[in-house]
Amino acid sequence: AQSVTQLGSHVSVSEGALVLLRCNYSSSVPPYLFWYVQYPNQGLQLLLKYTSAATLVKGINGFEAEFKKSETSFHLTKPSAHMSDAAEYFCAVKKAAGNKLTFGGGTRVLVKP
Amino acid sequence: GAVVSQHPSWVICKSGTSVKIECRSLDFQATTMFWYRQFPKQSLMLMATSNEGSKATYEQGVEKDKFLINHASLTLSTLTVTSAHPEDSSFYICSASASATYNEQFFGPGTRLTVL
Repeated sequence: AQSVTQLGSHVSVSEGALVLLRCNYSSSVPPYLFWYVQYPNQGLQLLLKYTSAATLVKGINGFEAEFKKSETSFHLTKPSAHMSDAAEYFCAVKKAAGNKLTFGGGTRVLVKP
Repeated sequence: GAVVSQHPSWVICKSGTSVKIECRSLDFQATTMFWYRQFPKQSLMLMATSNEGSKATYEQGVEKDKFLINHASLTLSTLTVTSAHPEDSSFYICSASASATYNEQFFGPGTRLTVL
């Protein structure tokens, strides 16, 4: 079985500061990994995905994530936080051969002016 | 491209009634659709997976007779909450996957169900 752990249910950053959201996964086979963002009362929007190509993945809105197999991690970063980055972020994992996503618990980001 | 819509966006119903939620893929054919449930401040929990023209596969603990899923076409799936009760109040989100983009699910905007 695969699982996803997001460290920290809440993260508070100052506008302009680095955003770092942590995600660790467990999977018996090489996985596909995703980061999604959810704004209040909305569905999920894909930020970026890792599908066994480049380990450093660039996404939308200035976000990027690095797949580290040795650490079973897929942390999400953004160099400079913007007020519009305040939202809930979910890390998800999927087996390469399957179609079911398993989500982490989510991390709520608060951006302080 | 890859837009998924849900209708209604919110619904309030009385206890004991049934509610149908529609999920549509607007610009692609969705061979597989997924239904999730999200309680306040919690993550998404997969309820069921449906493939066009076949019966849905429900996750453990999800009552198939209470949450009826139909995927009659490549662009439409419906979730019917039968005999709804207040504990069924939640945010329901669907997603759709096309065979050509097997790695990715495209999510709808969600439907907030409140059962009085």
